[in-house]
Amino acid sequence: GQQLNQSPQSMFIQEGEDVSMNCTSSSIFNTWLWYKQEPGEGPVLLIALYKAGELTSNGRLTAQFGITRKDSFLNISASIPSDVGIYFCAGLNTGNQFYFGTGTSLTVIP
Amino acid sequence: SQTIHQWPATLVQPVGSPLSLECTVEGTSNPNLYWYRQAAGRGLQLLFYSVGIGQISSEVPQNLSASRPQDRQFILSSKKLLLSDSGFYLCAWSVYKNTEAFFGQGTRLTVV
Repeated sequence: GQQLNQSPQSMFIQEGEDVSMNCTSSSIFNTWLWYKQEPGEGPVLLIALYKAGELTSNGRLTAQFGITRKDSFLNISASIPSDVGIYFCAGLNTGNQFYFGTGTSLTVIP
Repeated sequence: SQTIHQWPATLVQPVGSPLSLECTVEGTSNPNLYWYRQAAGRGLQLLFYSVGIGQISSEVPQNLSASRPQDRQFILSSKKLLLSDSGFYLCAWSVYKNTEAFFGQGTRLTVV
């Protein structure tokens, strides 16, 4: 089946630094989604992208839908300790199926 | 507004015992419903999805089954649990032809 490659797998950064993570696919997706998951909780939707080339922000978070429709990235500016968690990308294909990346674990060091 | 409820939050079951996890959605009609399993806090594996009452698609052969007896109710079951069934189970919903999936709080299942 379709797989999403998400990188990096983990990040350890100093508070205040910017963060960038990305997700790539071998297939085209119609929608890209970015989620954050905290321990013991379900993933929470951060940003949804619907069009190739679309750039969307949510506070300090910015995500883009790649032109090829096979990739997306998420940036977090000026990280803070509460940004800690696992970030997942997800893609929705033409069959209305969701596929998830393997996650990026973010640790912010105060 | 739409909400999703999933229970129980945690469950410890012996090997060979049955399983029933329930998920309900409020505030919407005819949602797409999903069951995912997450191992070791990473990687969401789609187990089942449903586009309507009684319509279940299985993504991966499992010791599990799913049922949708009502429009907004999705149940994950097993007749006999295996140790390998341990994990974090997540229910999610989306609106057909809409594009965001929203997750429940998850169930931590430990098979002992």
